[in-house]
Amino acid sequence: EVQLLESGGGVVQPGGSLRLSCVASGFSFDAYAMHWVRQVPGKGLEWVSLISRDGGSTQYGDSMKGRFTISRDNSKNSLYLQMNSLRSEDSAFYYCAREASQHPNYFDPWGQGTLVTVSS
Amino acid sequence: EIVLTQSPAILSLSPGERATLSCRASQSVYTSLAWYQQKPGQAPRLLISDASNRATGIPARFSGSGSGTDFTLTISSLEPEDFAVYYCQQRYSWPPLTFGGGTRVEIK
Repeated sequence: EVQLLESGGGVVQPGGSLRLSCVASGFSFDAYAMHWVRQVPGKGLEWVSLISRDGGSTQYGDSMKGRFTISRDNSKNSLYLQMNSLRSEDSAFYYCAREASQHPNYFDPWGQGTLVTVSS
Repeated sequence: EIVLTQSPAILSLSPGERATLSCRASQSVYTSLAWYQQKPGQAPRLLISDASNRATGIPARFSGSGSGTDFTLTISSLEPEDFAVYYCQQRYSWPPLTFGGGTRVEIK
């Protein structure tokens, strides 16, 4: 069974940093690009970032550029999101998602999410 | 950035009725559009890719249509488990990959 399990969320002060992790199982992790998508509770979805299969290429949403860094360790089947200079508007559930089989840049499946709260 | 506008925001229907959800793109995305379902407390799930292709395991009552700027997700006969929020997403022009604001299908 394909599974994605995020961790690392929590409460952080504005301007602070947090590192999210996502551990994958049930598929060949290094064969898929991976994404982070976020969702303010009760609101819509916002794409955050993409990393290629080998980690050599990354992309970010405009509001995350320069503050967030996506990375992966294929030897550990793990995806990461380093978030710096956090703002209140970054408070959200953060989901890791695999690219859909044969459909790059669609998301399937998703992890259960980890909640980040930026508050003083 | 391509903006996706979903309508209606809320759709109130009874089990067994037909649901028709709309997604309009600010410019053509050809058929590079997906639909997702999200139930309370759960992550989204891919339903439809490339406008009309059902994902693995998705029941046949879900169908997608459209191209260019206008897309439709149809649920032919609502089951109790179909009451949820539905999002469209485009991959034609990115970054960024963008989502619509969602349509909530609620029990009437």
